Amino acid sequence: EVQLVESGGGSVQPGRSLRLSCAASGFTFHDYAMHWVRQAPGKALEWVAGISWHSDNIGYADSVKGRFTISRDNAKNSLYLQMNSLTTDDMAFYYCAKDSVWFGEFISHGYFDHWGRGTLVTVSS
Amino acid sequence: DIQMTQSPSSLSASVGDRVTITCRASQSISNYLNWYQQKPGRAPYLLIHGTSGLRSGVPSRFSGTESGTAFTLTIDSLQPEDFATYYCQQTYSSPLTFGGGTKVEIK
Repeated sequence: EVQLVESGGGSVQPGRSLRLSCAASGFTFHDYAMHWVRQAPGKALEWVAGISWHSDNIGYADSVKGRFTISRDNAKNSLYLQMNSLTTDDMAFYYCAKDSVWFGEFISHGYFDHWGRGTLVTVSS
Repeated sequence: DIQMTQSPSSLSASVGDRVTITCRASQSISNYLNWYQQKPGRAPYLLIHGTSGLRSGVPSRFSGTESGTAFTLTIDSLQPEDFATYYCQQTYSSPLTFGGGTKVEIK
C-alpha cells in the first residue's frame, strides 16, 4: 500500500524558515517524480513544486520561486521542501503527491495518483 | 501560465441528479486534464486522468469528456458520498495548475 506521510509543519513568524518532509513507502520511490501541493484554508489547490525521479528536473510555482527548494533523498525514500522567507500568504496545508509516470520528469503529462494527509504551516507574528 | 477556469464554483443537487462541471483551459492542453475529488479534512483523490480515463475502483457514474479546451466532469445519478469539492488539473506544462474548485452540496 502506498503511503505518504508529511511532517515538519508548525507555526512560524513571517520571514522565518521551515523544512517539510514526506516519508514514502509502498512503492519504488526513486522511480517516480514527486510534488508538493498546498491549500490555504477554504481555498483551492495550488501546485508548489515538482522534482523528477533523478532530481535533475525541477520546477516551481512563481509564487515560491527563489524562496522554496524541493529536494529528495532516494536512499531514504524521502521528499523535502525547504521554505525560506515565509509570509502569511504561505499559510496552508502542504501535501506531498506521487506522480503517476514511471521514470518521469516533473512534467510528464501524468497525474497525482497518491497524496499524503498533509501538514499545516501557520505563519503569524 | 495556463489558467484553468472551473464552473460553477458551487452547485446544489439532489441524490439521483445528473451533475456537470466544466473546466476551461486558457490554451490547448491536449488531453492532459485530470479530475480530483476532495472531501472536508481529507486529501484530494484522483477520479479521472487524461480527460476520460477512470481510475480503477472509481464508480462508472463518473465520466470525463473534452471539446477543444473545455473539459467536463459528469456525475450520473449523484450519490450521498459524492458531495464534495471537485478540482480539475492540467499537466500539460509548467506551472501545473488547478481549477478553482466546484463544491457540490446537498439540495
